[in-house]
Amino acid sequence: DTAVSQTPKYLVTQMGNDKSIKCEQNLGHDTMYWYKQDSKKFLKIMFSYNNKELIINETVPNRFSPKSPDKAHLNLHINSLELGDSAVYFCASSQGGSGFGYTFGSGTRLTVV
Amino acid sequence: GENVEQHPSTLSVQEGDSAVIKCTYSDSASNYFPWYKQELGKRPQLIIDIRSNVGEKKDQRIAVTLNKTAKHFSLHITETQPEDSAVYFCAVQGGYALNFGKGTSLLVTP
Repeated sequence: DTAVSQTPKYLVTQMGNDKSIKCEQNLGHDTMYWYKQDSKKFLKIMFSYNNKELIINETVPNRFSPKSPDKAHLNLHINSLELGDSAVYFCASSQGGSGFGYTFGSGTRLTVV
Repeated sequence: GENVEQHPSTLSVQEGDSAVIKCTYSDSASNYFPWYKQELGKRPQLIIDIRSNVGEKKDQRIAVTLNKTAKHFSLHITETQPEDSAVYFCAVQGGYALNFGKGTSLLVTP
């Protein structure tokens, strides 16, 4: 039974389109995150939610909008996709907001053409 | 956010040798320091972590040391095996999220 699951695993889309990535965790964790991993493998925090509340919103274009309907789900919607959005997006969860290791999802490889 | 420097960016060792990866950070209030291993095409996975009230932690062939005064911590892998080949990331708790180093690509050759 997968602890943190993301869908889809691969996403190829044209510039200008809108797409969503879904994430669900069954660990009972309170905090969920979205990270972007670029082509150089750098993992950068985008958003963090604690019990459905947004607690981190890094310098991310407002074309990216996270939504957390409950503490087990954190989705990412991206409007007007650009070539530079191509990356692997990882969802993660942790038991608390500070001082706990993350469990990552398997990642979504987004390619914008 | 927290500035995390990781060195080296690539490391090649022979099977059986030791490997050491070092990270430095800037915020003296940081108190949690995990290490992640990411194999090609896979998710990052937590391999070991250390908190600021501890100087060293070991788990079989891997160990982490922390020097809070100097603000650096290191990952040590002994008796390396080919399956240790991966990208390793250090991370530092900065507020409500982990800030990651840029990764070290470790290659263990038989």
